[in-house]
Amino acid sequence: GAVVSQHPSWVICKSGTSVKIECRSLDFQATTMFWYRQFPKQSLMLMATSNEGSKATYEQGVEKDKFLINHASLTLSTLTVTSAHPEDSSFYICSALSPRRTGNQPQHFGDGTRLSIL
Amino acid sequence: GQNIDQPTEMTATEGAIVQINCTYQTSGFNGLFWYQQHAGEAPTFLSYNVLDGLEEKGRFSSFLSRSKGYSYLLLKELQMKDSASYLCAVMDSNYQLIWGAGTKLIIKP
Repeated sequence: GAVVSQHPSWVICKSGTSVKIECRSLDFQATTMFWYRQFPKQSLMLMATSNEGSKATYEQGVEKDKFLINHASLTLSTLTVTSAHPEDSSFYICSALSPRRTGNQPQHFGDGTRLSIL
Repeated sequence: GQNIDQPTEMTATEGAIVQINCTYQTSGFNGLFWYQQHAGEAPTFLSYNVLDGLEEKGRFSSFLSRSKGYSYLLLKELQMKDSASYLCAVMDSNYQLIWGAGTKLIIKP
């Protein structure tokens, strides 16, 4: 079964709305989680690395005030897209770093959230 | 800088064999991974190589040469359901996955 749960799987909302996406590790404590964005026909783009109990590390070009990340517990990280606009429409995927860090499946992926801003 | 290269698109015939290549240059190396991703879905893990050589898993095999910064994914007895994007990723010294752009594999009857 799934070891990482991501919710919601699909969101459609009006421009200007803030949207929260949750990522939960079900079978292990994840001190580190990753948030990715994927536009159609492109590869995964790392947005930020979320560390429990500390501020997230954002990749260059990703606005931290636009994409708020909270990793308040060892099993939950949230990404909030604030005042979303149509250009934020994308497929957002979270992953949790396995406690083993290396070896098979070092990152367990959520099923992704398809965000459509009208 | 860090860079992973793989072909953008490949086409193969059902029942045939296809090899998808991946070359990489990264800061540190903690293994190379292949993922399969169907449109609109999250990636699913296929294989992991950290030592040189071939790893076989059913119809799929993955090869690694660390000295050459090279890997390939070999798919045998292709089925229509194998049509997907195949992502090559390298784990760097910070345990982050550096992703290639993916290879879209089209299977024709």
